[in-house]
Amino acid sequence: NAGVMQNPRHLVRRRGQEARLRCSPMKGHSHVYWYRQLPEEGLKFMVYLQKENIIDESGMPKERFSAEFPKEGPSILRIQQVVRGDSAAYFCASSPWVSGSDHEQYFGPGTRLTVT
Amino acid sequence: SQKIEQNSEALNIQEGKTATLTCNYTNYSPAYLQWYRQDPGRGPVFLLLIRENEKEKRKERLKVTFDTTLKQSLFHITASQPADSATYLCALARGGSQGNLIFGKGTKLSVKP
Repeated sequence: NAGVMQNPRHLVRRRGQEARLRCSPMKGHSHVYWYRQLPEEGLKFMVYLQKENIIDESGMPKERFSAEFPKEGPSILRIQQVVRGDSAAYFCASSPWVSGSDHEQYFGPGTRLTVT
Repeated sequence: SQKIEQNSEALNIQEGKTATLTCNYTNYSPAYLQWYRQDPGRGPVFLLLIRENEKEKRKERLKVTFDTTLKQSLFHITASQPADSATYLCALARGGSQGNLIFGKGTKLSVKP
């Protein structure tokens, strides 16, 4: 059973370009979460999605950032008009639907975005 | 505002000793607390989850305690090995959303042979 997959692993963009980060959850998982990790900082929650629905986007910047998890295909985190401050590691995690309180998340290897 | 603190940025111990990491939180009453391990350049890996009504949980050489009165969790690694060297993160779940985890900045553990 393959783990959470993210691509690309490294992404370099110039200021003003768009960045698209992809995440394929573990097989059977229908919940996807995106986090951002800045150097020397902790993981910061950005958004939580189920198939075709955004459940919680309280951690997403209001402008330039968007996320989707379509019925078919990977989840996409999209950053428009990137700025240097967007340089960070972006991690995707997934979890299965469970009715109890076992809410551990399975993380991908991350995408390291560098804005030049 | 809700805060979670891991009050040691780095911890250095000798192989074979017990490592104890601390996680404190404020302005929050979590339903459960989780511990993850993160190696350089990689994503976090889930280790243990402990619920608010559990005092202690064990898994092999790992032990987690949860004191909701002190608002603190302790994470112990017994008989530590150099392979245990990594950054350890604690995380709490915000109320009302199973996905909205708050992570501490982590404690970097180094186990010397």
